[in-house]
Amino acid sequence: EDKVVQSPLSLVVHEGDTVTLNCSYEVTNFRSLLWYKQEKKAPTFLFMLTSSGIEKKSGRLSSILDKKELFSILNITATQTGDSAIYLCAVVGGSEKLVFGKGTKLTVNP
Amino acid sequence: DAGITQSPRHKVTETGTPVTLRCHQTENHRYMYWYRQDPGHGLRLIHYSYGVKDTDKGEVSDGYSVSRSKTEDFLLTLESATSSQTSVYFCAISRNLGDGYTFGSGTRLTVV
Repeated sequence: EDKVVQSPLSLVVHEGDTVTLNCSYEVTNFRSLLWYKQEKKAPTFLFMLTSSGIEKKSGRLSSILDKKELFSILNITATQTGDSAIYLCAVVGGSEKLVFGKGTKLTVNP
Repeated sequence: DAGITQSPRHKVTETGTPVTLRCHQTENHRYMYWYRQDPGHGLRLIHYSYGVKDTDKGEVSDGYSVSRSKTEDFLLTLESATSSQTSVYFCAISRNLGDGYTFGSGTRLTVV
């Protein structure tokens, strides 16, 4: 059974801090790993990492994939209150459907 | 999101009653999914569809059925709602299997 574990489950930081969110996985026939940000409503897509693209960056957010050690990290630098959200990690394996972790709730205080 | 809408946005229903949630897309994507999101469990797949009249079960399908008579609509039915089905339900779409999903805004269902 495919499995995704995120840590920590929740995190409280101050504006300007740098945070690292972790995602480890066990999946048959790994195809890709995705990160989503969920504020009040629908999850919104951040990054997709595959064997051919193991590092992605967009502004203050970046992510890497370590296929050997079966984990990914999502880094957010110079955090802002608008970064407060639940961050979801999901993997696609042999089933070809997304399997999600439980998420990390990030709170950024002013 | 403009390309995918869910209805209703909120619903309160009584135990034992049937409930149908609707997902409508305008993206002409082949794949549609229903997930439920609960504290401590994250997003879990209920059912998915890979085309008109083609559906399959996910990991938490008991007590739920689905139908897809048109590309754009995917219905989730709770035949006889129970309190354990109180949750937030998300519909998602993808063009191909394994692609990232686009999610609807969710339906908050409370079964009393």
